[in-house]
This record gives sequence, structure tokens and C-alpha cells, in this order.
Amino acid sequence: DAGVIQSPRHEVTEMGQEVTLRCKPISGHNSLFWYRQTMMRGLELLIYFNNNVPIDDSGMPEDRFSAKMPNASFSTLKIQPSEPRDSAVYFCASRLGRPDNEQFFGPGTRLTVL
Amino acid sequence: QQPVQSPQAVILREGEDAVINCSSSKALYSVHWYRQKHGEAPVFLMILLKGGEQKGHDKISASFNEKKQQSSLYLTASQLSYSGTYFCGTDYHYGGSQGNLIFGKGTKLSVKP
Repeated sequence: DAGVIQSPRHEVTEMGQEVTLRCKPISGHNSLFWYRQTMMRGLELLIYFNNNVPIDDSGMPEDRFSAKMPNASFSTLKIQPSEPRDSAVYFCASRLGRPDNEQFFGPGTRLTVL
Repeated sequence: QQPVQSPQAVILREGEDAVINCSSSKALYSVHWYRQKHGEAPVFLMILLKGGEQKGHDKISASFNEKKQQSSLYLTASQLSYSGTYFCGTDYHYGGSQGNLIFGKGTKLSVKP
């Protein structure tokens, strides 16, 4: 079975450019999470979807960040414009069913903004 | 609110034991434990639920003290493969789940031969 798929795996861009990160959850999973990981702040939840609907976006740092889930098999996280402080590893995770089930993490996208 | 993990780092020899703690200032519905190896994604270890139910790894044990709002992960007879950073994730909604997790900053465990 394919796990959570993220693309690209690495992204290097210049300040001010738009960045789009992509995620394909495990087939059949109904919850999807976007996290950001940095040394300073650890693993932070950015946004959480349930059945394609955003449930909690309180972790989205500012208006430059937006996330969509147009269908059950695809989600995007967009940063526009990007800034050097956005440099981090971005993980997508998916979960099946109940909140007390495990989350499966994708391999992450390492973003570097110059 | 982010849970607090302790210690921040621990170094063990193979075969030694370790305990990693996770404390919250708010009432918890559940605690989830994940391990992340360098350059990889976090991987699920276990879930501890309010009321005592546990789900997860059969070689790692953990406890959840609801009154004290804390959880501990017990790594016994450690192996080299246990090395990595351990994260607890807390689900805060007392009486029912919010469905999302707030992770601690992690405990880095290094097991030496």
C-alpha cells in the first residue's frame, strides 16, 4: 500500500515567490493534517481537515499561508509570498476514522527560502 | 498549549532503560507517542486514552495519569534501533476529542553500543 505522498520532496525558492506543497493522503483516510517542523518550534499543527472540510486552521501563521482540500485524495498548502522564516520541513499526515487512531505521516517537504 | 517533555535528551548504553515524560497544564483526552529518526517522518508508537485504554507498540510501554495530566513512555532493555526523537502529542478536549494533536518539543534518545 502506498503511504502518504508529498511533493516536492525538496524546494528551494527565493523570497517573494509563491510555493505550493502537495499531499496525497492514504486512500480511504478521512482526516488530513499539515504540520511544520523547525528546530526552534518543533512540530506545529498548521491546519486540520475532516472529510475535506477545514476544521481548525488556528495554527496557520498568517494570511500568506493557505490550504485547500478539493477532494478526498489531494490537498495543497500554499505560501504567497514566501519569506526566509518559512524555511522548514512541512509534513502532511492522514488518519482513518476516530480521533484516537494513529496518524500516518508523509516523508515531508524540505523548504528553503533564500 | 504545548505539552512539556522531559528530559530534552538522554544517552543510553544498549540494554539500559529510559523514561520519557510528557506533562500538560490542561485536562487531556488522550496522549499519542511518536518516534522520528533523523531525516525521516514521525512514526506512530502508541495512544493512551482517558479511561485506561492503550493501543500500539508491543515492546514499548507507557502510562497515562489523568489526574496529574501527564504520560510517561518506558523504554526497557534499549536497542540501537530505539535511537531517535520521541514526541508526545496531546489531544485536549476533556470529555471528547478535538481530533487534532499538539506536539511537545521532543526528547532526543541516543543508544550507544
